[in-house]
Amino acid sequence: KQEVTQIPAALSVPEGENLVLNCSFTDSAIYNLQWFRQDPGKGLTSLLLIQSSQREQTSGRLNASLDKSSGRSTLYIAASQPGDSATYLCAVFTGANSKLTFGKGITLSVRP
Amino acid sequence: NAGVTQTPKFQVLKTGQSMTLQCAQDMNHEYMSWYRQDPGMGLRLIHYSVGAGITDQGEVPNGYNVSRSTTEDFPLRLLSAAPSQTSVYFCASLKLGAYEQYFGPGTRLTVT
Repeated sequence: KQEVTQIPAALSVPEGENLVLNCSFTDSAIYNLQWFRQDPGKGLTSLLLIQSSQREQTSGRLNASLDKSSGRSTLYIAASQPGDSATYLCAVFTGANSKLTFGKGITLSVRP
Repeated sequence: NAGVTQTPKFQVLKTGQSMTLQCAQDMNHEYMSWYRQDPGMGLRLIHYSVGAGITDQGEVPNGYNVSRSTTEDFPLRLLSAAPSQTSVYFCASLKLGAYEQYFGPGTRLTVT
């Protein structure tokens, strides 16, 4: 059974810091890994999708990497801003049973 | 494209009542799924469908029914609501082959 872990559950940093959010998964037979952002009381916004054959994806100040063999992904946020405060979730799509498995998320607070 | 739409946005039910949460997508995605999100539990898969006429159970299917008569629609039925079903429900879709999930805005359900 696929399990996705995100540690720590919460993180508080001062504005301007570069930071790394970690995600690990137990079954490396994935189709892809997706990072989402969720603001309080809102839905999920897709940030980055990394296919299993890729090593990284970039969008603006965000960079996500994938090491399938070790079961790890990182989301790098450059020059963090208060507007980055949200919960960040990673999820892996395992095609063998056609399921997306989520981590429980990291709640990020960027202090002005 | 409207993407993935869900109705209603909010709903209050009494124990034992039934209702249907509606989900529709206009992207011609084969795969659709329902998740519930609870504090401390993350997002958990309820049911999913890989095409019209095909449905399967996810991690927490008890108390929920689904059907998929068209590609566009994937309703979730609660036959006899229980307080344990108080949650936020998200519908999602993806195109097989691309495997990027798109989420609806969610339905916040309270069962008293």
